[in-house]
Amino acid sequence: EPEVTQTPSHQVTQMGQEVILRCVPISNHLYFYWYRQILGQKVEFLVSFYNNEISEKSEIFDDQFSVERPDGSNFTLKIRSTKLEDSAMYFCASSEAWDSFHEQFFGPGTRLTVL
Amino acid sequence: KNQVEQSPQSLIILEGKNCTLQCNYTVSPFSNLRWYKQDTGRGPVSLTIMTFSENTKSNGRYTATLDADTKQSSLHITASQLSDSASYICVVLISGGYNKLIFGAGTRLAVHP
Repeated sequence: EPEVTQTPSHQVTQMGQEVILRCVPISNHLYFYWYRQILGQKVEFLVSFYNNEISEKSEIFDDQFSVERPDGSNFTLKIRSTKLEDSAMYFCASSEAWDSFHEQFFGPGTRLTVL
Repeated sequence: KNQVEQSPQSLIILEGKNCTLQCNYTVSPFSNLRWYKQDTGRGPVSLTIMTFSENTKSNGRYTATLDADTKQSSLHITASQLSDSASYICVVLISGGYNKLIFGAGTRLAVHP
C-alpha cells in the first residue's frame, strides 16, 4: 500500500541553524501539506502546496519557513533560522485532489529538537 | 473563531469494553468531519469522513455519529482491544479552502488488559 514517507525521523539542531525536512508524498498525489504538533498540543496546519505554488498558509508559516518541490518526488520544508519554539513533530501529508472527499494521508513525522 | 473541542481528554477502559468519545465544533463554513487515530509518535490515520447529511458511519468496530444542527459528533468503539490505545482526534474541514483541517486536541485512550 502506498504511503507518505519522511526523513529524517528525528533531527536535532542548534538554535539559529537551518534545517530541511524531507517528504516523499504518494506518487499520484498532487496536493501536499505540512503540519506541526508541539508536544502535548493540537496538530496545526502550516501550508498547502499545489502546482509548485503555495495554495494556503497559516499565520505560523512566516518568512522563516519555505517549501519546495525540488524534483518529481520530494517535498521539503525549510526553516531558515530555527528557534527553540520550533521544536515539534512535523507531519507531511498528501492528497489526490483538493475536494473535501479526498483523504489526506499523513507521513510518520519528523521530530525536530532545537537546542 | 474556528474551534474543535473534545472530551474527555483521556480515558482508561478495560479490554473488551465499549467507549464513546465526544467532539463539539464551531467551524464555518463546514465541509466535513473526520475522526483520526494517532498512535504515539506516528502520523494520524483516518477512520471516517462524514458530511453534514450523514448521521452515522461505521468502520469496523468504530461508529461515528454527526449532528450538524448541534455541531456535535461522537466516536463509539465497541469491544475494545489493546491495539485501540491511541489518541483519537476529531478534525473538521473548512469548506472552500484547499482542504484546510482544524484539529481537536484529541482524546487519549488507554485500553488495559
